[in-house]
Amino acid sequence: AQSVTQLDSQVPVFEEAPVELRCNYSSSVSVYLFWYVQYPNQGLQLLLKYLSGSTLVESINGFEAEFNKSQTSFHLRKPSVHISDTAEYFCAVSNYGGSQGNLIFGKGTKLSVKP
Amino acid sequence: DTEVTQTPKHLVMGMTNKKSLKCEQHMGHRAMYWYKQKAKKPPELMFVYSYEKLSINESVPSRFSPECPNSSLLNLHLHALQPEDSALYLCASSPGGLAGQETQYFGPGTRLLVL
Repeated sequence: AQSVTQLDSQVPVFEEAPVELRCNYSSSVSVYLFWYVQYPNQGLQLLLKYLSGSTLVESINGFEAEFNKSQTSFHLRKPSVHISDTAEYFCAVSNYGGSQGNLIFGKGTKLSVKP
Repeated sequence: DTEVTQTPKHLVMGMTNKKSLKCEQHMGHRAMYWYKQKAKKPPELMFVYSYEKLSINESVPSRFSPECPNSSLLNLHLHALQPEDSALYLCASSPGGLAGQETQYFGPGTRLLVL
């Protein structure tokens, strides 16, 4: 069975500062990794995902995440955050050959960007 | 159209009421999901429909009854709910052919309050 650990429940940062949201996973098989974002009073939307190939994946709004198999991590980073990045961020994992219901979410990290 | 719509946005119901939540997508997706999300928690999977057939029921109490009338619609019928069932109910869909590596598209949710 897989599991996901998001080490920080809350991350406060100032606008234009860099940020890293940490995610570690546990699985006995190969995995796919996802970051979803949930803005206040909205559903979740995909930020980026790692399926295979290059271990560095990027989103259209400046976030990136790097798959590190040896450290079983998929940390999310942004070099300069904006007020509009304030949201809850969920790391999620599913395994190769898994079913549609196989997506396991971490507990979430609330990113608060202050002016 | 990459949107999943959910109605109603908000719902208040008594413990003896019967109500239904509706979800619709027009992306041609063949997998649809219901999740329950309590405040400050990640989404918890309730049901998965794959090609209009119920494929996963995560031991959800029978007071929740899902229905998939066609490939675009998903309903969740509610009856005799308890106050602890108050939560945000999220619907999601995915293409349905690639299982674990698929992006799930979420609706904005229905915020349910059971009195």
